Amino acid sequence: EAGVAQSPRYKIIEKRQSVAFWCNPISGHATLYWYQQILGQGPKLLIQFQNNGVVDDSQLPKDRFSAERLKGVDSTLKIQPAKLEDSAVYLCASRRDSSSYNEQFFGPGTRLTVL
Amino acid sequence: GENVEQHPSTLSVQEGDSAVIKCTYSDSASNYFPWYKQELGKGPQLIIDIRSNVGEKKDQRIAVTLNKTAKHFSLHITETQPEDSAVYFCAASKNTDKLIFGTGTRLQVFP
Repeated sequence: EAGVAQSPRYKIIEKRQSVAFWCNPISGHATLYWYQQILGQGPKLLIQFQNNGVVDDSQLPKDRFSAERLKGVDSTLKIQPAKLEDSAVYLCASRRDSSSYNEQFFGPGTRLTVL
Repeated sequence: GENVEQHPSTLSVQEGDSAVIKCTYSDSASNYFPWYKQELGKGPQLIIDIRSNVGEKKDQRIAVTLNKTAKHFSLHITETQPEDSAVYFCAASKNTDKLIFGTGTRLQVFP
């Protein structure tokens, strides 16, 4: 089966600009996650969707980050305006559902550099 | 909330030797502990996981042990090969809640 797709793979912007990332999860996976991975650290959950509803966004800086998952399939993560500290890899992951210990599958990530 | 610490941050071994990575967690209610391997330019990939009702699990050259009393778990890789070189992350979660990741271990296997 096809894996989790993300685009773009790389993005360079200046601070205060806006940026958007796109994720297409594995077909049929109801649960979708966005993680932020700062260089040298483990992934940190930003937001979790179950179908098109938000399950957990407690770690999402809502003053500048937003995410949506229309129709419960693809998802976009937006940053507006970007700050230098937002430089990181943004990983999307999906799971068949959130009701069991099934595996989270990660996409390749989008590397964001904010200058 | 849950906090996961991981050691060492870097590990260099000779091909054929064993490698051990250790993690500790803070929330005694955590009951699911996966390990992920992340290669350069790729997302993390699950390599093995263990649940709190099991003390040890093996899959070919890799094994994970869990000590619930001490709240720590370890990854063991035997007969290491150059292709094992990557960054390894441990994680912990309670039931099916979000995963809390450790800070990662960069493993280098020298031929």
